[in-house]
Amino acid sequence: GNSVTQMEGPVTLSEEAFLTINCTYTATGYPSLFWYVQYPGEGLQLLLKATKADDKGSNKGFEATYRKETTSFHLEKGSVQVSDSAVYFCALATQGGSEKLVFGKGTKLTVNP
Amino acid sequence: GAVVSQHPSWVICKSGTSVKIECRSLDFQATTMFWYRQFPKQSLMLMATSNEGSKATYEQGVEKDKFLINHASLTLSTLTVTSAHPEDSSFYICSASGLANEQFFGPGTRLTVL
Repeated sequence: GNSVTQMEGPVTLSEEAFLTINCTYTATGYPSLFWYVQYPGEGLQLLLKATKADDKGSNKGFEATYRKETTSFHLEKGSVQVSDSAVYFCALATQGGSEKLVFGKGTKLTVNP
Repeated sequence: GAVVSQHPSWVICKSGTSVKIECRSLDFQATTMFWYRQFPKQSLMLMATSNEGSKATYEQGVEKDKFLINHASLTLSTLTVTSAHPEDSSFYICSASGLANEQFFGPGTRLTVL
């Protein structure tokens, strides 16, 4: 079946540090891949997405590249801020859009000043 | 972005009672709404998908008689946990999508069954 595995948290970084959150997936066909972010007390928000191999999604300084050969979609940011503290979820959808999302367990990021 | 609200944000009930959770899309018409359940340190698990005016489609292993879903309008879906038991205690999250197919998530409802 379809599944998403992302690195265990929590992750604690200092401001301006480099961030990587690993995400790998198992899926039939060619899934779309997503990163969602959940700030404290709020609902999940779409951070970025990629719909085909070698696509790079980017938003708010975050990037992730759809790597079919390694079935990965790692999230990166060159310089994190305190305001980036949140829980990050990697997800996939196999019906072409955002239908039937399959989520990873989430990674909690804390950025200290 | 589009806003989805849930009510209540948390609820405590006695075992055997029923609890209703509302999910509303505030500024768009949601043709499809999704209900998820999240256990501590676990991923969101899709429970069911509902389209306005039709019966919900439940994921394998989800009891449809226990988790009643109604999607009566393009802005409101409800999840009723019937005869709740302590094992139903969890964080329930809804999402809504419109014509653009992107899902917008509510903030979640924490259910505790005593």
